[in-house]
Amino acid sequence: EDQVTQSPEALRLQEGESSSLNCSYTVSGLRGLFWYRQDPGKGPEFLFTLYSAGEEKEKERLKATLTKKESFLHITAPKPEDSATYLCAVQYTGTASKLTFGTGTRLQVTL
Amino acid sequence: DSGVTQTPKHLITATGQRVTLRCSPRSGDLSVYWYQQSLDQGLQFLIQYYNGEERAKGNILERFSAQQFPDLHSELNLSSLELGDSALYFCASSVELRDEQYFGPGTRLTVT
Repeated sequence: EDQVTQSPEALRLQEGESSSLNCSYTVSGLRGLFWYRQDPGKGPEFLFTLYSAGEEKEKERLKATLTKKESFLHITAPKPEDSATYLCAVQYTGTASKLTFGTGTRLQVTL
Repeated sequence: DSGVTQTPKHLITATGQRVTLRCSPRSGDLSVYWYQQSLDQGLQFLIQYYNGEERAKGNILERFSAQQFPDLHSELNLSSLELGDSALYFCASSVELRDEQYFGPGTRLTVT
């Protein structure tokens, strides 16, 4: 069964303290890997799509990278407004276009 | 604002009842997806429609059904509701089948 695992489950950072979130997935048949941000009680907000190993995407303080077996979401000099749950989702070939989500990393950034 | 709208925002109902959740995709998007998010299960794919036709099913219960109408809006019908059906239900849409999906604000269903 396709699996997406995110670590850590929760992360507490001080403002300005950079870190990385990890998403590992079943390797066979990856079509695309997606990162979303979700605030409590809200719908997931699309951040990035990555399709091939070596690909990188950036947006403000966030940078997503992809290797052959995992993806990282790097957060540089985070601010309190970056506090949210970050979800990784994978789209596999042969599964139509459904997304298989990880359970997320809850990020809290404090002053 | 993703451009995907969902109604109602909140729904409180009793066990055994039936409810209908509604979703309007972003303008121009042909594909609609339904997901369920509960505390213990995370985000789970339920079903997908593309231009009115069902394209994929996930772990959707037989008590649940959905459809996509000619104007591309979609409805998710949940019947014989149980306490365990309490969750956030999200609709997402995409232009084509394999594009990034944009999520609506969700409907919070509480079954008492």
